[in-house]
Amino acid sequence: GDSVTQMEGPVTLSEEAFLTINCTYTATGYPSLFWYVQYPGEGLQLLLKATKADDKGSNKGFEATYRKETTSFHLEKGSVQVSDSAVYFCALKNAGGTSYGKLTFGQGTILTVHP
Amino acid sequence: NAGVTQTPKFQVLKTGQSMTLQCAQDMNHEYMSWYRQDPGMGLRLIHYSVGAGITDQGEVPNGYNVSRSTTEDFPLRLLSAAPSQTSVYFCASSLTSGGLAKNIQYFGAGTRLSVL
Repeated sequence: GDSVTQMEGPVTLSEEAFLTINCTYTATGYPSLFWYVQYPGEGLQLLLKATKADDKGSNKGFEATYRKETTSFHLEKGSVQVSDSAVYFCALKNAGGTSYGKLTFGQGTILTVHP
Repeated sequence: NAGVTQTPKFQVLKTGQSMTLQCAQDMNHEYMSWYRQDPGMGLRLIHYSVGAGITDQGEVPNGYNVSRSTTEDFPLRLLSAAPSQTSVYFCASSLTSGGLAKNIQYFGAGTRLSVL
């Protein structure tokens, strides 16, 4: 079945540092890929998405590129802020069938940014 | 626009008790689902529904029941709570039509449940 693997956490950075959170996936066909963010005490929010190979999703300074050849969707940000402290989830949704909104999630990566 | 609303935010139960977690959305979404979030395991799908009167099992359905009598509401019932059901529960909804828009799920703020 489908699966998503994220890098082990937690990740602790200083403000303005460069961020990479690795995400790889296993899936049949051509899935759509997502990054969700969960701020403390809140539900998940969509951060960015990509629906086909070589697409780059971007939002709030975060970027991720859908790499089919390496089955990866790594999240990057050039300069993190304290307000980026949150849990980040990589997820996929496989196209077709009746799994309209059925997402497969990675285990989540806790990011803490210090001033 | 309220989005997806979950109640209660926190709940403590004793083993064997029953309860219902409520979920409501005001976006006229056909698809609704319940996930549980456990440390190191991400979110796992419990049950989902693609419209009123239609429900189906997800990855971890045992111990949970759902029904969908209206488009807006999708309650999750624990018939006899067990300590293994201690978790954070999230409800989510999305469209089932509209091309790429149907890929976006909107999540509630969660219910933190402890079973003693």
